[in-house]
Parts: sequence; C-alpha cells; structure tokens
Amino acid sequence: DQQVKQNSPSLSVQEGRISILNCDYTNSMFDYFLWYKKYPAEGPTFLISISSIKDKNEDGRFTVFLNKSAKHLSLHIVPSQPGDSAVYFCAASASAGAQKLVFGQGTRLTINP
Amino acid sequence: SQTIHQWPATLVQPVGSPLSLECTVEGTSNPNLYWYRQAAGRGLQLLFYSVGIGQISSEVPQNLSASRPQDRQFILSSKKLLLSDSGFYLCAWAGGTDTQYFGPGTRLTVL
Repeated sequence: DQQVKQNSPSLSVQEGRISILNCDYTNSMFDYFLWYKKYPAEGPTFLISISSIKDKNEDGRFTVFLNKSAKHLSLHIVPSQPGDSAVYFCAASASAGAQKLVFGQGTRLTINP
Repeated sequence: SQTIHQWPATLVQPVGSPLSLECTVEGTSNPNLYWYRQAAGRGLQLLFYSVGIGQISSEVPQNLSASRPQDRQFILSSKKLLLSDSGFYLCAWAGGTDTQYFGPGTRLTVL
C-alpha cells in the first residue's frame, strides 16, 4: 500500500517559469511533511518542510502548500532554474517530526533553457 | 558540523557473495540511523532504523540485516546476495525531529 504517492514520474518546465510538483497521501495520521531533492548518484538533500498546523511554508524560491482535507501537498519553485533539474521526493511522518519517514516515488523535474 | 560517510561508493558483487556496507556519522551523538534502498526507477524504501546501539528495527523482510556496534556506526550486511539486492543504498541520520540527513550513497550491482 503506497501511503505517499507522486503520480507524475516526470515534469518538464521552461527556465524562469513556475514548477509545481504534487504529492498525495492516504494516512490521516501524517502530521509532518518534507520535500527532498536528489541528483543522480548522490544522497537526497532536504529542501523544505511543513507541519500539519500550517497550510503554507515559504523559503526563498520554494513554497510548500498543504491541503489537509484533500490529503495533498505541493511544492512550488519560482522562478525555475537549470540547477533545479533533479528528482524530487515528498515524504511524510506520523511520528513526532522526521523520525520515521514514508517517501513517495519521486518526480523527475527537467528545467529547459 | 555534522557529517555522514558511506563506503564504498560503488560495488559490484557476484550473486551469492556476502555484503558489508558501512555508514558513520560525525559531529553528533545518539543519532537515529537509517538504511534506505532506491531500486531503479523506484522511490526510497526504508530497510532498517536504529534508535541506539544494538537496537535495530526491520521494516521489510528480506535478505539483508543491519547492526549498530557503536553509537555513530551503522552497518548493512548480507550473507548471500541476490540479483534483486541491486540498487542505491542510502544511510541517513536524524538528531532531532526536523529532518533526516542523507549520506552520499552506495551503488550496488549484483551480477
């Protein structure tokens, strides 16, 4: 049972435009959500997180939105840059923060010049 | 600052051979430690996690085992590798509740 789903395996966006990556979850006990970015042959790096008590968190070009009623979160990157090309994973936790994470399958983002 | 190391970076092993991957963390004490696997075209699958020395929780029944002989050392092992063990293995640590921090990974190919 895939509790965290990223239904788009890939996304292509023009440089300078907005990239929107989506993630859905099924477990209503999840209360903390994170986005990671991963380059090939490297470990994922943390981008941004959001607690279920919020519906938006912003950090520079990155904003995460959480819709608890729809069990949906999204990551917005604006403006998109070539260095943003990577695989993005969303992750969720039901255990007091990031102690035990469930990851989605990932979305490969390609930024075209 | 904290640093996480994994080695080797790449490994090619024949089917039926043993495996030992090592992960060490510097700059923190009593971290939670994790082993994940990313199979080709798949997401990150949690294999094992540890909240302290000698304490291992297994998430997925499989051909692998984990050990934590020291506070900041986490080892992933197998007695006999299978073809399906191929993948990208990631170690991660968490000191608080904000996020997990990942190592550089080990690419394992079983032939």
